[in-house]
Amino acid sequence: EDKVVQSPLSLVVHEGDTVTLNCSYEVTNFRSLLWYKQEKKAPTFLFMLTSSGIEKKSGRLSSILDKKELFSILNITATQTGDSAIYLCAVGQGGSEKLVFGKGTKLTVNP
Amino acid sequence: GAVVSQHPSRVICKSGTSVKIECRSLDFQATTMFWYRQFPKKSLMLMATSNEGSKATYEQGVEKDKFLINHASLTLSTLTVTSAHPEDSSFYICSARGVTSYNSPLHFGNGTRLTVT
Repeated sequence: EDKVVQSPLSLVVHEGDTVTLNCSYEVTNFRSLLWYKQEKKAPTFLFMLTSSGIEKKSGRLSSILDKKELFSILNITATQTGDSAIYLCAVGQGGSEKLVFGKGTKLTVNP
Repeated sequence: GAVVSQHPSRVICKSGTSVKIECRSLDFQATTMFWYRQFPKKSLMLMATSNEGSKATYEQGVEKDKFLINHASLTLSTLTVTSAHPEDSSFYICSARGVTSYNSPLHFGNGTRLTVT
């Protein structure tokens, strides 16, 4: 059975801390891994990763994929209260447009 | 970027009635849209894949007669929850891809909070 596992499930930090969110997967015919940020409404797209070892970066957020070990990490440096959200990891499979989602990591950044 | 609009954002209905939720791709054409359901503190659960001009593909365990999906045009898909019951109360989200390419990410609508009383 295809599965995506995120850890930790929840995390509470103080502003300025750096956090690392984990996503491991076991899916058939892996094509891509995506990170989304979900606040009160629908998820917003952060990154799409298809190749191992290539870091994608956007401001204080960065992400990298390891296709050999079947995992990805999402790093957030100098966290701010606005980073508080649920971060979802999803994996796309070849031959399908569907995404398999993990349960998410709920990040709370306290001032 | 690609924008997906979902309407209504919130709906309250009585048990036994039907509710229609619309999902529109505003600045692109989407041959495929996806409908998800999200329970509190849970991840997104794919309900069905909506294909323009053909029948939707439902995931295992999702009742096709209860959750009617229509994808009549390249920019609009609708989900109708028929004979709604309180257990259907949930957050429903649609998504679409900007181009028919596996290399572009899905973009999500803002979701519809359905409450069945």
